[in-house]
Amino acid sequence: GENVEQHPSTLSVQEGDSAVIKCTYSDSASNYFPWYKQELGKGPQLIIDIRSNVGEKKDQRIAVTLNKTAKHFSLHITETQPEDSAVYFCAARTDSWGRLQFGAGTQVVVTP
Amino acid sequence: EPEVTQTPSHQVTQMGQEVILRCVPISNHLYFYWYRQILGQKVEFLVSFYNNEISEKSEIFDDQFSVERPDGSNFTLKIRSTKLEDSAMYFCASSALGLAGGTSYNEQFFGPGTRLTVL
Repeated sequence: GENVEQHPSTLSVQEGDSAVIKCTYSDSASNYFPWYKQELGKGPQLIIDIRSNVGEKKDQRIAVTLNKTAKHFSLHITETQPEDSAVYFCAARTDSWGRLQFGAGTQVVVTP
Repeated sequence: EPEVTQTPSHQVTQMGQEVILRCVPISNHLYFYWYRQILGQKVEFLVSFYNNEISEKSEIFDDQFSVERPDGSNFTLKIRSTKLEDSAMYFCASSALGLAGGTSYNEQFFGPGTRLTVL
């Protein structure tokens, strides 16, 4: 089955700097790659996603890139703010309604 | 903004007892999911449910687990005889049927979770 690896497990950045989180997946049939943000005491919230027919997607300060050949995708957060502090999960899915396979999560801490 | 709700937020139970975790998915959604997250580990898929039957289940979802949509709004996960290793955060999620437009029409929306502690 699909296996998703996520790095780093923790990331500390200064406010205003950029943060990058990387994930790799194993199943070449995966075609949907969402990123979730989880704040303390809350469930995961989708922040951005990308489908396999697209190489890059951007939404304000966040962007995701996908390299299908290498089977990896990355989350980029620019101009980080303290409210970006949270745990971020990448995930992969092979069909429209199927299970999400999650990475282990990255704890992002943005220091003022 | 519509959201998935879950009750209770925290459930403490004795080993061997039955527990029922409850979820109210977003009202026009048709696909429902349960995931769990053991402390310090990945979020793991348990089961998906559509049209009143299980669509897919993981190897974790053994005979001790069952799901039900008892009415038009609730979606429940039952653990028949809890074990210590069932202690985890359990997340319910729901997803809509495809919509028109370029947005993520099959996004899975997650609830806040139920923390299950088995003693």
